[in-house]
Amino acid sequence: QSALTQPASVSGSPGQSITISCTGTSSDVGGYNYVSWYQQHPGKAPKLMIYDVSKRPSGVSNRFSGSKSGNTASLTISGLQAEDEADYYCSSYTSSSTWVFGGGTKLTVL
Amino acid sequence: QVQLVQSGAEVKKPGASVKVSCKASGYTFTSYYMHWVRQAPGQGLEWMGIINPSGGSTSYAQKFQGRVTMTRDTSTSTVYMELSSLRSEDTAVYYCAYQQLVRNWFDPWGQGTLVTVSS
Repeated sequence: QSALTQPASVSGSPGQSITISCTGTSSDVGGYNYVSWYQQHPGKAPKLMIYDVSKRPSGVSNRFSGSKSGNTASLTISGLQAEDEADYYCSSYTSSSTWVFGGGTKLTVL
Repeated sequence: QVQLVQSGAEVKKPGASVKVSCKASGYTFTSYYMHWVRQAPGQGLEWMGIINPSGGSTSYAQKFQGRVTMTRDTSTSTVYMELSSLRSEDTAVYYCAYQQLVRNWFDPWGQGTLVTVSS
């Protein structure tokens, strides 16, 4: 199972919006609405930000939103804040009954 | 509130095995799944496998088949991940991550256990 494809880095200024893409295949992202997104600050464990493509867990800011079109899922962060600077990973369930992660995207808040 | 607490850092020599533990609290231990995910230094997350603590059934990523074993001890609500034939490329932080039944996401995660493989 190959890793999902994410851009290595994205950046934005405070207050702006950014979008991180996550591209897979019809055997993972495109085949199931089981895409989740995780935020990871340096030296910390990942934190769930979005599940089932577009749902937010309790306590996660509504500045975070998710969507999917075909084999590509996206995470959008609006109103960027300094604390959003972190690595972001997508994950998907697969047709092999396994899970796969994206390679990760480093978000820099300028 | 679900909490996962992992065992401490390990240093191993190439060819050895390592066993990492993950103790769970705050939920019914046998009603959920537990995953193991690793992260090499400066690299991304890599899914290793899953264990059903209820019956002990497991499923491993093809990459780790034959080298990884996931087990559980229901009396202490602890799951274990043992990786054998260690090589330098196995140096990584190993995380356990909780999955509710009929859900397909990981939340929460353990704090991570650094395993260093060095001669």
